[in-house]
Amino acid sequence: DIVLTQSPDSLAVSLGERATIDCKSSQSVLYSSNNKNYLAWYQHKPGQPPKLLISWASTRESGVPDRFSGSGSGTDFTLTISSLQAEDVAVYYCHQYYSALWAFGQGTKVEIK
Amino acid sequence: EVQLVQSGGGLVKPGGSLRLPCAASGFRFSNAWMMWVRQAPGKGLEWVGRIKSKTDGGTIDYAPPVKGRFSISRDDSKNTLYLQMDSLKTEDTAVYYCSTSSHWGQGTLVTVSS
Repeated sequence: DIVLTQSPDSLAVSLGERATIDCKSSQSVLYSSNNKNYLAWYQHKPGQPPKLLISWASTRESGVPDRFSGSGSGTDFTLTISSLQAEDVAVYYCHQYYSALWAFGQGTKVEIK
Repeated sequence: EVQLVQSGGGLVKPGGSLRLPCAASGFRFSNAWMMWVRQAPGKGLEWVGRIKSKTDGGTIDYAPPVKGRFSISRDDSKNTLYLQMDSLKTEDTAVYYCSTSSHWGQGTLVTVSS
C-alpha cells in the first residue's frame, strides 16, 4: 500500500507570505505510459466538504486562485501558497489515486502567524 | 450543476448496520468513478473505498480497516451510490463523504455507540 507523508504537520505563516507543504509518497505515483502523476491536493475547512485544488500534481482546478500551485513528480510533491490570505486557513491534504488502494496524507494545518 | 446529496447517517450500536445513500445529479453518473471518504472526530481524511464505472470494469476496492465489513455499490438507473456498513465498531464513528474527487457530498455523521 502507498503511504503519503506530509510535512510539516502544521505551519503558521504571516499574511502575504509563502506557505509550502511537502508530500512524500512511499512509491512512485508517476504512470509511465502517460507521464502523469496521480496525485491531488485538497483544502478542508471545518464544517465543509473538502475542496479539490490541484489534480495530476500540478493542474489547478477551475476557479482556484493562482496563488495555489502544485509541483513535483514521482515520489516528492509540493503545494505552494504564494501569498497567504486569511481565507486560506485550513487543513491541506495530498491524495494519491495511482494504486488500487487510494490514500490521503495525514494533513497539514495552515494558520496565520 | 453537479450535486451529491447524502442521507442515512445517525446513531447505531456496535455490531449494527447502516446504509448511506448518495444521490447524484448534474453529470453522467454512470461514467463516474466514485469514492467514500471519512473523517473521525479530531482526525484527518481517511479513504474508505472506491467503485469504478461499469464501463471501466466496475472494480471496487476498500481500505483495510473496512474491508469485509463495508460494501460499496451503485445503481446507475437511479444515479445513486451506496455505502453498506455492517459489523460497525466505535472507531467507525465519523463524518462520511461521497465524492467524484472533484465534487463532494455534504457529509453525513455516523455515530457508533452503545
